[in-house]
Amino acid sequence: DGGITQSPKYLFRKEGQNVTLSCEQNLNHDAMYWYRQDPGQGLRLIYYSQIVNDFQKGDIAEGYSVSREKKESFPLTVTSAQKNPTAFYLCASRWLFNQPQHFGDGTRLSIL
Amino acid sequence: QKEVEQNSGPLSVPEGAIASLNCTYSDRGSQSFFWYRQYSGKSPELIMFIYSNGDKEDGRFTAQLNKASQYVSLLIRDSQPSDSATYLCAVNPNYGGSQGNLIFGKGTKLSVKP
Repeated sequence: DGGITQSPKYLFRKEGQNVTLSCEQNLNHDAMYWYRQDPGQGLRLIYYSQIVNDFQKGDIAEGYSVSREKKESFPLTVTSAQKNPTAFYLCASRWLFNQPQHFGDGTRLSIL
Repeated sequence: QKEVEQNSGPLSVPEGAIASLNCTYSDRGSQSFFWYRQYSGKSPELIMFIYSNGDKEDGRFTAQLNKASQYVSLLIRDSQPSDSATYLCAVNPNYGGSQGNLIFGKGTKLSVKP
Protein backbone atom coordinates (compact mmCIF):
# COMPACT_ATOMS: atom_id res chain seq x y z
CA ASP A 1 0.00 0.00 0.00
CA GLY A 2 1.56 3.30 -1.08
CA GLY A 3 1.58 6.18 1.31
CA ILE A 4 3.33 8.45 3.75
CA THR A 5 4.10 7.10 7.21
CA GLN A 6 4.79 9.38 10.13
CA SER A 7 5.92 8.12 13.50
CA PRO A 8 5.37 8.28 16.33
CA LYS A 9 1.76 9.42 16.47
CA TYR A 10 2.32 11.13 19.84
CA LEU A 11 5.60 12.40 21.27
CA PHE A 12 6.53 14.08 24.51
CA ARG A 13 9.63 16.22 24.89
CA LYS A 14 11.44 17.08 28.08
CA GLU A 15 13.03 20.48 28.44
CA GLY A 16 16.47 20.65 26.84
CA GLN A 17 15.87 17.50 24.81
CA ASN A 18 16.07 17.05 21.04
CA VAL A 19 13.46 14.80 19.47
CA THR A 20 13.22 13.37 15.96
CA LEU A 21 10.03 12.85 14.00
CA SER A 22 10.09 10.25 11.27
CA CYS A 23 8.57 10.59 7.80
CA GLU A 24 8.83 7.82 5.19
CA GLN A 25 7.12 7.62 1.79
CA ASN A 26 6.94 4.82 -0.77
CA LEU A 27 5.26 6.88 -3.49
CA ASN A 28 8.51 7.64 -5.32
CA HIS A 29 7.81 11.34 -4.78
CA ASP A 30 10.68 13.74 -5.33
CA ALA A 31 9.71 16.53 -2.96
CA MET A 32 8.97 16.29 0.74
CA TYR A 33 7.75 18.89 3.22
CA TRP A 34 7.36 19.49 6.94
CA TYR A 35 4.58 21.70 8.27
CA ARG A 36 3.55 22.79 11.71
CA GLN A 37 -0.09 23.38 12.63
CA ASP A 38 -1.18 25.15 15.81
CA PRO A 39 -4.79 25.05 17.05
CA GLY A 40 -7.05 27.16 14.86
CA GLN A 41 -4.15 28.06 12.59
CA GLY A 42 -3.14 27.27 9.05
CA LEU A 43 -0.17 25.19 8.00
CA ARG A 44 3.24 26.80 8.31
CA LEU A 45 6.18 25.46 6.32
CA ILE A 46 9.23 24.45 8.34
CA TYR A 47 11.53 22.82 5.77
CA TYR A 48 11.25 21.32 2.33
CA SER A 49 13.39 19.17 0.06
CA GLN A 50 12.99 18.85 -3.69
CA ILE A 51 15.78 16.33 -4.27
CA VAL A 52 17.97 14.00 -2.22
CA ASN A 53 20.80 15.66 -0.28
CA ASP A 54 19.24 19.10 -0.65
CA PHE A 55 16.76 20.96 1.54
CA GLN A 56 15.61 24.52 2.08
CA LYS A 57 14.30 26.51 5.03
CA GLY A 58 10.65 27.38 5.06
CA ASP A 59 8.97 30.18 6.93
CA ILE A 60 9.63 28.94 10.47
CA ALA A 61 12.86 26.89 10.35
CA GLU A 62 14.44 28.24 13.55
CA GLY A 63 14.81 25.53 16.17
CA TYR A 64 14.38 22.70 13.66
CA SER A 65 16.72 20.63 11.51
CA VAL A 66 16.24 18.05 8.75
CA SER A 67 18.17 15.65 6.55
CA ARG A 68 17.41 14.02 3.20
CA GLU A 69 19.86 11.18 2.70
CA LYS A 70 17.35 8.93 0.94
CA LYS A 71 14.51 9.77 -1.42
CA GLU A 72 12.05 7.94 0.83
CA SER A 73 12.94 9.57 4.12
CA PHE A 74 12.82 13.12 5.51
CA PRO A 75 13.21 13.16 9.32
CA LEU A 76 12.64 16.33 11.31
CA THR A 77 14.53 17.09 14.53
CA VAL A 78 12.95 19.50 16.98
CA THR A 79 15.88 20.91 18.91
CA SER A 80 15.99 22.38 22.40
CA ALA A 81 16.28 25.79 20.74
CA GLN A 82 12.61 25.54 19.72
CA LYS A 83 11.02 27.03 22.82
CA ASN A 84 7.40 26.42 21.86
CA PRO A 85 7.36 23.00 20.18
CA THR A 86 3.85 21.93 21.14
CA ALA A 87 1.99 21.50 17.84
CA PHE A 88 0.71 19.04 15.24
CA TYR A 89 3.51 18.21 12.78
CA LEU A 90 2.62 17.15 9.27
CA CYS A 91 4.84 15.62 6.61
CA ALA A 92 3.81 15.83 2.96
CA SER A 93 5.21 14.78 -0.38
CA ARG A 94 4.48 15.36 -4.03
CA TRP A 95 5.66 14.09 -7.39
CA LEU A 96 5.88 16.85 -10.03
CA PHE A 97 5.88 20.51 -9.01
CA ASN A 98 2.32 21.16 -10.15
CA GLN A 99 0.88 18.05 -8.54
CA PRO A 100 -0.95 17.94 -5.21
CA GLN A 101 0.85 17.37 -1.96
CA HIS A 102 -0.27 14.35 0.04
CA PHE A 103 -0.02 14.20 3.80
CA GLY A 104 0.91 11.64 6.40
CA ASP A 105 -1.23 11.17 9.50
CA GLY A 106 0.82 13.60 11.58
CA THR A 107 2.72 13.59 14.87
CA ARG A 108 1.39 15.44 17.89
CA LEU A 109 4.25 16.82 20.01
CA SER A 110 3.81 18.03 23.56
CA ILE A 111 6.13 19.26 26.30
CA LEU A 112 6.40 17.24 29.52
CA GLN B 1 3.95 38.47 0.80
CA LYS B 2 1.99 35.78 -0.98
CA GLU B 3 -1.36 35.25 0.71
CA VAL B 4 -4.36 33.00 0.59
CA GLU B 5 -7.48 34.25 2.35
CA GLN B 6 -10.48 32.26 3.53
CA ASN B 7 -13.43 33.13 5.71
CA SER B 8 -12.80 31.24 8.94
CA GLY B 9 -16.49 30.51 9.51
CA PRO B 10 -18.07 28.59 10.93
CA LEU B 11 -20.28 28.14 7.92
CA SER B 12 -23.45 26.35 8.92
CA VAL B 13 -25.73 24.72 6.33
CA PRO B 14 -28.65 22.32 6.67
CA GLU B 15 -28.31 18.75 5.46
CA GLY B 16 -29.03 18.49 1.74
CA ALA B 17 -28.14 22.12 0.99
CA ILE B 18 -25.27 23.45 -1.12
CA ALA B 19 -22.24 24.61 0.84
CA SER B 20 -20.14 27.28 -0.85
CA LEU B 21 -16.57 27.83 0.32
CA ASN B 22 -14.51 30.71 -1.01
CA CYS B 23 -10.83 31.54 -1.30
CA THR B 24 -8.89 34.49 -2.71
CA TYR B 25 -5.19 34.61 -3.45
CA SER B 26 -2.73 37.43 -3.98
CA ASP B 27 -0.24 36.06 -6.54
CA ARG B 28 -1.61 36.59 -10.04
CA GLY B 29 0.93 34.10 -11.44
CA SER B 30 -0.44 31.18 -9.43
CA GLN B 31 -0.96 28.09 -11.53
CA SER B 32 -2.54 25.35 -9.46
CA PHE B 33 -5.17 25.32 -6.76
CA PHE B 34 -6.12 22.68 -4.24
CA TRP B 35 -8.87 22.00 -1.74
CA TYR B 36 -8.16 19.84 1.30
CA ARG B 37 -10.59 18.60 3.93
CA GLN B 38 -9.35 18.28 7.50
CA TYR B 39 -11.40 16.55 10.16
CA SER B 40 -10.72 17.58 13.74
CA GLY B 41 -7.50 15.99 14.98
CA LYS B 42 -6.66 14.48 11.59
CA SER B 43 -4.34 15.39 8.73
CA PRO B 44 -5.52 17.19 5.57
CA GLU B 45 -6.96 15.06 2.79
CA LEU B 46 -6.96 16.21 -0.85
CA ILE B 47 -10.45 16.43 -2.31
CA MET B 48 -10.11 18.56 -5.44
CA PHE B 49 -7.55 20.34 -7.58
CA ILE B 50 -7.99 22.70 -10.51
CA TYR B 51 -5.57 24.29 -12.95
CA SER B 52 -7.74 26.03 -15.58
CA ASN B 53 -10.39 28.70 -15.43
CA GLY B 54 -13.91 27.36 -15.13
CA ASP B 55 -15.53 24.53 -13.25
CA LYS B 56 -14.32 21.05 -12.39
CA GLU B 57 -16.77 18.52 -11.02
CA ASP B 58 -16.12 15.34 -9.04
CA GLY B 59 -19.17 13.71 -7.55
CA ARG B 60 -20.82 16.13 -5.11
CA PHE B 61 -17.86 18.51 -5.28
CA THR B 62 -17.30 21.31 -7.80
CA ALA B 63 -14.21 23.52 -7.85
CA GLN B 64 -14.51 26.87 -9.59
CA LEU B 65 -11.54 29.00 -10.68
CA ASN B 66 -11.53 32.60 -11.86
CA LYS B 67 -7.92 33.71 -12.39
CA ALA B 68 -8.90 37.23 -13.46
CA SER B 69 -10.60 37.78 -10.10
CA GLN B 70 -8.00 35.65 -8.24
CA TYR B 71 -10.78 33.61 -6.75
CA VAL B 72 -11.31 29.89 -6.26
CA SER B 73 -14.32 28.26 -4.69
CA LEU B 74 -15.58 24.83 -3.66
CA LEU B 75 -19.23 23.86 -3.87
CA ILE B 76 -20.52 20.84 -2.00
CA ARG B 77 -23.92 19.69 -3.21
CA ASP B 78 -26.32 17.65 -1.07
CA SER B 79 -24.25 18.40 2.04
CA GLN B 80 -24.07 15.61 4.61
CA PRO B 81 -23.18 15.75 8.32
CA SER B 82 -20.03 13.78 7.39
CA ASP B 83 -18.91 16.82 5.36
CA SER B 84 -18.51 18.76 8.62
CA ALA B 85 -14.81 19.61 8.70
CA THR B 86 -12.36 22.42 8.06
CA TYR B 87 -11.66 23.04 4.38
CA LEU B 88 -8.22 24.34 3.46
CA CYS B 89 -7.54 26.19 0.24
CA ALA B 90 -3.96 25.91 -1.06
CA VAL B 91 -2.28 27.70 -3.94
CA ASN B 92 0.95 27.00 -5.79
CA PRO B 93 2.36 30.48 -6.46
CA ASN B 94 5.06 29.11 -8.78
CA TYR B 95 7.80 31.63 -8.22
CA GLY B 96 11.56 31.40 -8.00
CA GLY B 97 12.99 28.21 -6.56
CA SER B 98 9.90 27.43 -4.54
CA GLN B 99 7.97 25.75 -7.32
CA GLY B 100 5.65 23.19 -5.88
CA ASN B 101 5.49 24.85 -2.47
CA LEU B 102 1.93 25.55 -1.44
CA ILE B 103 0.57 28.50 0.45
CA PHE B 104 -2.36 27.47 2.64
CA GLY B 105 -5.28 29.51 3.84
CA LYS B 106 -6.28 29.15 7.48
CA GLY B 107 -9.35 27.17 6.51
CA THR B 108 -13.11 27.50 6.69
CA LYS B 109 -14.95 25.40 9.25
CA LEU B 110 -18.11 23.86 7.79
CA SER B 111 -20.90 22.50 9.94
CA VAL B 112 -23.72 20.53 8.30
CA LYS B 113 -26.78 20.30 10.56
CA PRO B 114 -29.02 17.19 10.31
